[in-house]
Amino acid sequence: DAGITQSPRHKVTETGTPVTLRCHQTENHRYMYWYRQDPGHGLRLIHYSYGVKDTDKGEVSDGYSVSRSKTEDFLLTLESATSSQTSVYFCAISETQGEDQPQHFGDGTRLSIL
Amino acid sequence: AQSVSQHNHHVILSEAASLELGCNYSYGGTVNLFWYVQYPGQHLQLLLKYFSGDPLVKGIKGFEAEFIKSKFSFNLRKPSVQWSDTAEYFCAVNERGYQKVTFGTGTKLQVIP
Repeated sequence: DAGITQSPRHKVTETGTPVTLRCHQTENHRYMYWYRQDPGHGLRLIHYSYGVKDTDKGEVSDGYSVSRSKTEDFLLTLESATSSQTSVYFCAISETQGEDQPQHFGDGTRLSIL
Repeated sequence: AQSVSQHNHHVILSEAASLELGCNYSYGGTVNLFWYVQYPGQHLQLLLKYFSGDPLVKGIKGFEAEFIKSKFSFNLRKPSVQWSDTAEYFCAVNERGYQKVTFGTGTKLQVIP
């Protein structure tokens, strides 16, 4: 399995509080992604990064921000959590070397906003 | 924008039955295609991928998929399923050269012993 660690693995918090999820990789891959997984929606891309300090929005980016100050770490922040952000969050990484490569996923973070 | 459709949301099969899960995508350019599997409580794992060449792709655990360009389809097949194949299966596509991947909504497969 790819060296991807997500923390925390589980979190319960209250509406209006800030939340930061961390994704750490040991593969030195260029690309990192944050997805949320919800029943009936599959995986939806929140934000992704194509290098240190280089990020872009995905299809469901509202209410989320990201930062990547080091190759190995990609942080997802919910500035003011809402109940609609209750979900399972997955981090993924990939590398492109001459040809597109598939993404490899972390174990996920289950986030509950009460 | 590209999209991926998985028409079967929930499939129930008996052990040894054959499996075919449908996947259609909407994009006219050159694409890469993937199937991922998610076992209960686990993360997504790559089953197989198609980039170019032989449209019949073989993956892990006896799975295969066939890319039919004229039908924009990439169906997943397995001749004989096992109870351990119980999982959710996701089809995914990205435009060649771009990293953003679009996932289907998934198909839950339940295999009954």
